[in-house]
Amino acid sequence: GAVVSQHPSRVICKSGTSVKIECRSLDFQATTMFWYRQFPKQSLMLMATSNEGSKATYEQGVEKDKFLINHASLTLSTLTVTSAHPEDSSFYICSASVRQRGTDTQYFGPGTRLTVL
Amino acid sequence: GENVEQHPSTLSVQEGDSAVIKCTYSDSASNYFPWYKQELGKRPQLIIDIRSNVGEKKDQRIAVTLNKTAKHFSLHITETQPEDSAVYFCAASKSGGGADGLTFGKGTHLIIQP
Repeated sequence: GAVVSQHPSRVICKSGTSVKIECRSLDFQATTMFWYRQFPKQSLMLMATSNEGSKATYEQGVEKDKFLINHASLTLSTLTVTSAHPEDSSFYICSASVRQRGTDTQYFGPGTRLTVL
Repeated sequence: GENVEQHPSTLSVQEGDSAVIKCTYSDSASNYFPWYKQELGKRPQLIIDIRSNVGEKKDQRIAVTLNKTAKHFSLHITETQPEDSAVYFCAASKSGGGADGLTFGKGTHLIIQP
């Protein structure tokens, strides 16, 4: 149980285009999902918290108009990188919070490697 | 906001020896402390976690200790094996892993020497 998937796993795009990344909880419903970004050889940085049916909460320094998040259902959250530029190239990873035996745990998706040319 | 410091950044140990990675956190409201193992290009995998109502937790060769007063927690791996080689991240959260995201340490590259 507690499987999180992401699609696509890898994307290469031209500067100025928009890219959509999907995060799905496969065997559970997730009221809360999270989006992280990881640059090479660095740690994971929380970008935003995505709540089903409401607006996402963005961390300081993350542009909400550039990183659009939609959490339309209890199993799907999407991150759209708008007008992507080379500095947006990174590993984007989502996680979903699941309640098991009365406690919450976050499980991560496999990540999406974005390369902007 | 929360700040998590992790040491060392690189740790090389002989196979069979023990490895210890230490983290400190700044926000006394944090109450959930997971440890993740990440292999190159892969997702972080939860290996063990501890909540603020306990001081120690063990799962086979892996153990985590928490000192709330000093705001630090540590990962202990005994009888290390080559497959333990990876980057390990500690993290902290205020909501027990539920409503709030995780603040990660910078990671420790663990190298197991054969």
